[in-house]
Formats: sequence, structure tokens, C-alpha cells
Amino acid sequence: GESVGLHLPTLSVQEGDNSIINCAYSNSASDYFIWYKQESGKGPQFIIDIRSNMDKRQGQRVTVLLNKTVKHLSLQIAATQPGDSAVYFCAENTGGFKTIFGAGTRLFVKA
Amino acid sequence: DAGVIQSPRHEVTEMGQEVTLRCKPISGHDYLFWYRQTMMRGLELLIYFNNNVPIDDSGMPEDRFSAKMPNASFSTLKIQPSEPRDSAVYFCASRKLAGELFFGEGSRLTVL
Repeated sequence: GESVGLHLPTLSVQEGDNSIINCAYSNSASDYFIWYKQESGKGPQFIIDIRSNMDKRQGQRVTVLLNKTVKHLSLQIAATQPGDSAVYFCAENTGGFKTIFGAGTRLFVKA
Repeated sequence: DAGVIQSPRHEVTEMGQEVTLRCKPISGHDYLFWYRQTMMRGLELLIYFNNNVPIDDSGMPEDRFSAKMPNASFSTLKIQPSEPRDSAVYFCASRKLAGELFFGEGSRLTVL
């Protein structure tokens, strides 16, 4: 389940289950949204993106859903693997230039 | 391409010393960003450049921080004088006109 830790919200899932990570964004004018994955000791890495004229986009094992009405993004990871353990950030672009990051969610995958 | 290259990877210094962090963006990328990451504040945008020109430095904490981009392949972030509260991981990232950011491995700064 999902819980709030000392610093980051944490999601713990069993290997093979699906994961859903949620994010609320702040600016209704944002037109481009990105999910990043950050492993320990590394910089954030791109996972998937979506433009504001779409409400769903699928990649390999990942799906991003966008609900502009309530300013909400979600990242779905199918068949979660131990290698998916990381911190996941949603980010928003306004006017295409400035990328602002959310607080992040830590995903633990139990073997 | 080697990706975004940052140096140093780790820096330990004493309060009051000058710190210079360096970044080489990916060739052909028009935008360069400096972020700071801490447990308390997450990933904060400090400043970004477009074609070597600073566009928005509203995230720079105070006058002790300065950033330059003298050419398309090099940028520096300088802190003078440094303070313990500046301890963080500093990331440089670059991208083309549109699309996702490509991050470096970060520079972990500890100010004693």
C-alpha cells in the first residue's frame, strides 16, 4: 500500500504486481508532462511523457494517464520488477521551457 | 554521445570556501538547466540557459550563487562563500528545443 514516510511518499508492491504512482500538478497552463525515474546515486532518467492534448500514452510496461480536470497524472507500471525500485518524479512544463518537478514517490518492489 | 558530464562528482569543503561545479551538456542541446536536490526540498530549479543566455534565474537562492555559460559546451555554477546549508546534490541537465531533460550524474557537495 501507499504511505507517507519521513521524506517521500512510499509505495511497496510485490514483484509481478502492477504499480500505480500518482501525482498532482499545480499549473493548469502546463502543456507537457514527464515521468522520471531516479536510482540511488544517479540523475533522473526519462521514462515516458504526455502532451496536454492527450489523456493516455503507453510505452513498454508503462502507461501515463492525464486528467486535466483535476490536474492529476498517474504512472502505471505493469508486472513490476525489482529493477523498478527507485524514486519516481512527475514533472511539468509550462510554455515548453521550464521543467518543474514534483516531490517524488519511492517505489519498493518486494521479491 | 557521452551524455551530460558533471564534475566534480563529490566535493567536501569548509564553510566560507568558494565552490565551482562544472557541466558539459550534450552536443546540439539548446537548453541547459541547473537543479539542486535535497531531502527537504526535492529537486529545485536554480537557473536555465537557452543558447548560452540565462533565461530564468529566479530559483537561485541568493547572491552567493552565480552561474555562467561561456559557450555551448560548458557551464559553471559557483557558490561564494559556501555555507553548510548549501550541502546538496547539484544536477545539470540539457535538452533540445522540445522534449525530455537529460541529466548528469550530479555533484554531491558537502560544506562543513
